[in-house]
Amino acid sequence: NAGVTQTPKFRVLKTGQSMTLLCAQDMNHEYMYWYRQDPGMGLRLIHYSVGEGTTAKGEVPDGYNVSRLKKQNFLLGLESAAPSQTSVYFCASRPGQINTGELFFGEGSRLTVL
Amino acid sequence: AQSVTQPDIHITVSEGASLELRCNYSYGATPYLFWYVQSPGQGLQLLLKYFSGDTLVQGIKGFEAEFKRSQSSFNLRKPSVHWSDAAEYFCAVGAGNNDMRFGAGTRLTVKP
Repeated sequence: NAGVTQTPKFRVLKTGQSMTLLCAQDMNHEYMYWYRQDPGMGLRLIHYSVGEGTTAKGEVPDGYNVSRLKKQNFLLGLESAAPSQTSVYFCASRPGQINTGELFFGEGSRLTVL
Repeated sequence: AQSVTQPDIHITVSEGASLELRCNYSYGATPYLFWYVQSPGQGLQLLLKYFSGDTLVQGIKGFEAEFKRSQSSFNLRKPSVHWSDAAEYFCAVGAGNNDMRFGAGTRLTVKP
């Protein structure tokens, strides 16, 4: 049971570099989410998707872009990384309707921007 | 948009003692409410959820939570804490606009 898989799990970037985090889920879930977790701030929603080909902004979308070209994958991109984007990033997914299930989380990706 | 407040950043309890973690939410309609637990280095795992009906909900690992609409609260409780319950706990609220918002979390330390 793979569930939700995030790659890479660790990455160190220099300011201004770009990178993409990949989230893959094998549960045929419609909804996918990207959160960032920072000490004392809990999880903050960056972007989410309610289905293939759709994306929407969350609480803290600036500096990030996302794409959902395939139902099972949700990519989070940083075009020009900044130290403020140092964080642990979590991907999550769920079935189509909110009252049919909880969020299923990946194990997180720790990103450090120097 | 909906929001969640967890007033306690860190709580320490003795093993075997009772536990209550507080959660207050802000949302104009009936919310969907959740409690998640995160062990170190791991993703989040669902403990319990409230959608409608009985305001006292039971979850895994002996946890329960009570929805109180008048107080906009959804506090998590456990009658007797075990050392393995040490973790960070997050309250979350979902709404009709499909996103889920989390509180800042409460870190639980269990003393032997």
